Amino acid sequence: QKEVEQDPGPLSVPEGAIVSLNCTYSNSAFQYFMWYRQYSRKGPELLMYTYSSGNKEDGRFTAQVDKSSKYISLFIRDSQPSDSATYLCAAPYGQNFVFGPGTRLSVLP
Amino acid sequence: GAVVSQHPSRVICKSGTSVKIECRSLDFQATTMFWYRQFPKKSLMLMATSNEGSKATYEQGVEKDKFLINHASLTLSTLTVTSAHPEDSSFYICSARRRRPADRDYGYTFGSGTRLTVV
Repeated sequence: QKEVEQDPGPLSVPEGAIVSLNCTYSNSAFQYFMWYRQYSRKGPELLMYTYSSGNKEDGRFTAQVDKSSKYISLFIRDSQPSDSATYLCAAPYGQNFVFGPGTRLSVLP
Repeated sequence: GAVVSQHPSRVICKSGTSVKIECRSLDFQATTMFWYRQFPKKSLMLMATSNEGSKATYEQGVEKDKFLINHASLTLSTLTVTSAHPEDSSFYICSARRRRPADRDYGYTFGSGTRLTVV
């Protein structure tokens, strides 16, 4: 069983829609969670990180963690075509990360 | 902010030759660097972890003689794909960990990746 699961998509939404991206994890030892955005043929860039359960907002992005159900979400409000990318959730573990496989998002103009 | 420069961004080489990929931390010292491989539409797969001044730690199934990693300084790590074959064609990404973790990124920054094509 993979430690971080994520629906690979692709997910297509119209411009302006609210996007919900989700991950589940199995390892209770995970303390921090990150969302990375990866454009095609580029390295991942950190979008947001969260430590505790609850919501964290940054502009159009909201990260949500529910440790009781081991569920992580990223919401994108007023989605833009420039948001089209692959979104990876990740959890630091020791020196490294455990990555989800990523969800490919397309925001259509 | 922390910047990791990875070169080259794209390389095509002939089967049997070796290719070196560089990863530099531009404005911070990286005690630890990670090398990942990513196949199309797949997540990042950790290949090895390198600590400055010591031998790299390779993940299970990664051939250390084929993927040579050198982390000679706090700002530079290199991955050399030796005797490359078409099946080594992939997207390789490095990640560097800051000496002192920053609040914004918990001390990890990714390079922009290298697309290797072996023909």
